[in-house]
Amino acid sequence: NAGVTQTPKFRVLKTGQSMTLLCAQDMNHEYMYWYRQDPGMGLRLIHYSVGEGTTAKGEVPDGYNVSRLKKQNFLLGLESAAPSQTSVYFCASSDRDRDYEQYFGPGTRLTVT
Amino acid sequence: DAKTTQPTSMDCAEGRAANLPCNHSTISGNEYVYWYRQIHSQGPQYIIHGLKNNETNEMASLIITEDRKSSTLILPHATLRDTAVYYCIVRVAVRTNAGKSTFGDGTTLTVKP
Repeated sequence: NAGVTQTPKFRVLKTGQSMTLLCAQDMNHEYMYWYRQDPGMGLRLIHYSVGEGTTAKGEVPDGYNVSRLKKQNFLLGLESAAPSQTSVYFCASSDRDRDYEQYFGPGTRLTVT
Repeated sequence: DAKTTQPTSMDCAEGRAANLPCNHSTISGNEYVYWYRQIHSQGPQYIIHGLKNNETNEMASLIITEDRKSSTLILPHATLRDTAVYYCIVRVAVRTNAGKSTFGDGTTLTVKP
């Protein structure tokens, strides 16, 4: 099992550009999450999903959109990147009956100039 | 979810037990204590959780005080690879709130040779 994978690992964007981060999991988990982590800080939840076709806002959703068209994939989109979105983005997934045990991907390091 | 307080940083000698405290004085009766750790640049990793009884697994032990207002994560024989940020999280039980967890700033544990 690959677990949770994220694409790409690194990206540099110019202000105003758009991009999509892809998260994939092969554990058949119902729940998936997107977090951001700024330097020296804890993780903050951006959006999450409790199943295919459903998404919900987390703590810091502004400037991001998400989609979960397939159970195994959770996409995070930035429509118009801003320097404040420079961060490391982590995707996670969990089983509905063990939702406290989230499995995290390796992260995507995004820099917006 | 109840708020948690952890020391910013701690040191531990290799081979000795590492005891990481967490204060959660406002914890409710239906809230569990969860611990994650994040090794540098990686995604967080679930360690252990408990309600009121002490818990042990292959990674660590969790000691929760009788009044449940504080807990201690114990790594019995710390190694250099245990150097990480350790997060104490308090939230309600499974299948509620979609598994959402609030990661604070955590404790940076440094294991020294």
